[in-house]
Amino acid sequence: KAGVTQTPRYLIKTRGQQVTLSCSPISGHRSVSWYQQTPGQGLQFLFEYFSETQRNKGNFPGRFSGRQFSNSRSEMNVSTLELGDSALYLCASRIGAGNTEAFFGQGTRLTVV
Amino acid sequence: GQQLNQSPQSMFIQEGEDVSMNCTSSSIFNTWLWYKQDPGEGPVLLIALYKAGELTSNGRLTAQFGITRKDSFLNISASIPSDVGIYFCAGQLAGGTSYGKLTFGQGTILTVHP
Repeated sequence: KAGVTQTPRYLIKTRGQQVTLSCSPISGHRSVSWYQQTPGQGLQFLFEYFSETQRNKGNFPGRFSGRQFSNSRSEMNVSTLELGDSALYLCASRIGAGNTEAFFGQGTRLTVV
Repeated sequence: GQQLNQSPQSMFIQEGEDVSMNCTSSSIFNTWLWYKQDPGEGPVLLIALYKAGELTSNGRLTAQFGITRKDSFLNISASIPSDVGIYFCAGQLAGGTSYGKLTFGQGTILTVHP
């Protein structure tokens, strides 16, 4: 059974550009959440999607957005990139709503120059 | 910001030694999870805890959900070199506004000397 797949693994972007990251959850999982990991702030929650609906959102500016498709795959988008957006972006997959285990992908390493 | 205090921040131990780390919070959690992360990779789930007082083992790993629901402990017995990595606690706060959101500790960096 395949795990959580995130693409691409690495990205280098210039300030002001936008970027789209993709996440395919474990087959049968319907919940996808996104986290930003930096050395200074650690792992911070961005948002979670379940059945194509955003159920919760963290304290990030509106430049960070996401969506989920009917096949549960999810994308997150960051517009007008800033140097501080450089981070490891992690996607987590859950079977469904509620208190269930979250399984992470390998992440996308975004570097903004 | 983060609401979990994880300690210690780092540990340097000899192979074969036992390891203990813990997380505490001023808030009540419904779920506690423990993860291990290797450099450049995503966190890997080690143990999940759902009930206050619950004690769960996974091989050489044992974790407990504190009675007050505000803390959790992870023990690793007879450490081996491949235990090296960063260990994170994570919890889901009680309450509807925390739906689907995990709050993470700062991590414990474990180094094992052969």
